[in-house]
Amino acid sequence: ELKVEQNPLFLSMQEGKNYTIYCNYSTTSDRLYWYRQDPGKSLESLFVLLSNGAVKQEGRLMASLDTKARLSTLHITAAVHDLSATYFCAVPPGTYKYIFGTGTRLKVLA
Amino acid sequence: DTAVSQTPKYLVTQMGNDKSIKCEQNLGHDTMYWYKQDSKKFLKIMFSYNNKELIINETVPNRFSPKSPDKAHLNLHINSLELGDSAVYFCASSQFVSTDTQYFGPGTRLTVL
Repeated sequence: ELKVEQNPLFLSMQEGKNYTIYCNYSTTSDRLYWYRQDPGKSLESLFVLLSNGAVKQEGRLMASLDTKARLSTLHITAAVHDLSATYFCAVPPGTYKYIFGTGTRLKVLA
Repeated sequence: DTAVSQTPKYLVTQMGNDKSIKCEQNLGHDTMYWYKQDSKKFLKIMFSYNNKELIINETVPNRFSPKSPDKAHLNLHINSLELGDSAVYFCASSQFVSTDTQYFGPGTRLTVL
């Protein structure tokens, strides 16, 4: 069965610092998704990575995908408080199904 | 306009009761899903529907019965509620299978006492 693991599970960082969240998955997939969830809220799509080597950037977030290593990264540059949220990666092992990672709870301290 | 809506937002009920959650999407998507998010924020797929047809049932107890009257609606009925059913239930939709991102509803927080 496909496993999707994220690390770290919890991340507390100072404003202005950089950090990377990792998403490892256990079976082949050429697609990966990143979502953000604010406390008590729904999930919001951040990035869709559709091929090996794909890189997407939005503001202070940049996501990349290495399908050979079965690894995606979400890099945070110069963190600000507004980025505090839980971040999920999700992998489709086949059609009609997505397996979500364990989530990384990010807290950016002023 | 809300893309994916769910009702109710909160549901508090006693063990053994039966309850329903409704979901509607106005995005014209073909595929809809139900997810369960537990207290540790772990998100697990329960069901997938495509064009009103059940495609995926992730070994969910048969106390849970989804119904899709049309492509825009996917409801979830739960019989004989148990304490372990307490969670946040999210409905989602996507346009094409496994190539498009999913759009999530606001969630229904179910508390079973």
